Amino acid sequence: KAGVTQTPRYLIKTRGQQVTLSCSPISGHRSVSWYQQTPGQGLQFLFEYFSETQRNKGNFPGRFSGRQFSNSRSEMNVSTLELGDSALYLCASSLFRAGKDYNEQFFGPGTRLTVL
Amino acid sequence: AQSVSQHNHHVILSEAASLELGCNYSYGGTVNLFWYVQYPGQHLQLLLKYFSGDPLVKGIKGFEAEFIKSKFSFNLRKPSVQWSDTAEYFCAVNERAAGNKLTFGGGTRVLVKP
Repeated sequence: KAGVTQTPRYLIKTRGQQVTLSCSPISGHRSVSWYQQTPGQGLQFLFEYFSETQRNKGNFPGRFSGRQFSNSRSEMNVSTLELGDSALYLCASSLFRAGKDYNEQFFGPGTRLTVL
Repeated sequence: AQSVSQHNHHVILSEAASLELGCNYSYGGTVNLFWYVQYPGQHLQLLLKYFSGDPLVKGIKGFEAEFIKSKFSFNLRKPSVQWSDTAEYFCAVNERAAGNKLTFGGGTRVLVKP
């Protein structure tokens, strides 16, 4: 069974540009979460999508947005990039099982974004 | 706001030594607790989890963790480490009814010398 895939794996952008990152969850997984990992702030939750709806959101500015498609694939977008947005962006997918308030998440390899 | 603290940022030890990594969280409600590991160049992987029941949980690769509710702690242990345990370890907390959102600790880099 293929794992979570993220594209691209590496990305270099300049300040002010925008970027879109993609995540394909494990087949059958309907929930996708995004995290930002930096040396200074560690791993921080960005948002979670389930059935094309944002279910939860972390404390990030509105420049960070996401969406989920009907096939559960997800994208996140960062507009007006800042130097501080340089980070590893991780995607995690999980099953949804009715009656369970938490479902184990499986992480992808991440997209390393460098903002110059 | 909920937070998770890992006491050690870096740990260096020799093979066969015992490992204990501390994790404390601040949240008064019911939580699910996790330890994740990130080996060099690899994905974040789940080591073990605690949802309810026996507070001593066993995970993969000989790791175990103990949940002490009164201390808001979830410490990770391994009796005898190997060189292959060199990795970064993350404690994480999920608030019940908060979907799949995980709040992570800052991580502990563990270096095991052969």
